[in-house]
Amino acid sequence: GAVVSQHPSRVICKSGTSVKIECRSLDFQATTMFWYRQFPKKSLMLMATSNEGSKATYEQGVEKDKFLINHASLTLSTLTVTSAHPEDSSFYICSARELAGSYNEQFFGPGTRLTVL
Amino acid sequence: DAKTTQPTSMDCAEGRAANLPCNHSTISGNEYVYWYRQIHSQGPQYIIHGLKNNETNEMASLIITEDRKSSTLILPHATLRDTAVYYCIVREDQAGTALIFGKGTTLSVSS
Repeated sequence: GAVVSQHPSRVICKSGTSVKIECRSLDFQATTMFWYRQFPKKSLMLMATSNEGSKATYEQGVEKDKFLINHASLTLSTLTVTSAHPEDSSFYICSARELAGSYNEQFFGPGTRLTVL
Repeated sequence: DAKTTQPTSMDCAEGRAANLPCNHSTISGNEYVYWYRQIHSQGPQYIIHGLKNNETNEMASLIITEDRKSSTLILPHATLRDTAVYYCIVREDQAGTALIFGKGTTLSVSS
């Protein structure tokens, strides 16, 4: 199957700083990428959907000014957590859909563990 | 609102078949049933999907009832590495639609 990578895999930052997480589709082009957040012992929650070259669509309750999403190319999307606080500590997972896929399969990255001190 | 209902947890002995049920009584005609799993601290992994016919691949089999209101994921010979949370998701096969995850079933495989 197609491979999606995320960088970094783990990040620890101080409260008030900004953190950027990269999501790359390594062997396919992705018109659409999705960002999820997962708290301990909880399920994945969709944060936003991003299409290459256009603004991301955020789910209700997700602050678009706090979670900046950029999808500048068909293989790269970034999530920037601005002015991070301890409550933003979570497991962030991206997903990408293949441009020329025969069906609507989403490929997931390995996730990024964010800890805000 | 969740479109699927799954048991919270299940246990299975190594080497035996694991049968994971899922109820999706409100499924519509153009919605597919997808199964993903998530091993601890990793991203979800695609397992299998189907519309109305039973499906099989190298990982698992998917049995969908004739009325499509429920399905069962079968792992024929469970191993310790199959311990994970299994998610049953119903979704239309359209561009731009994200997978929405419910609570899933935690499958514990023991030796």
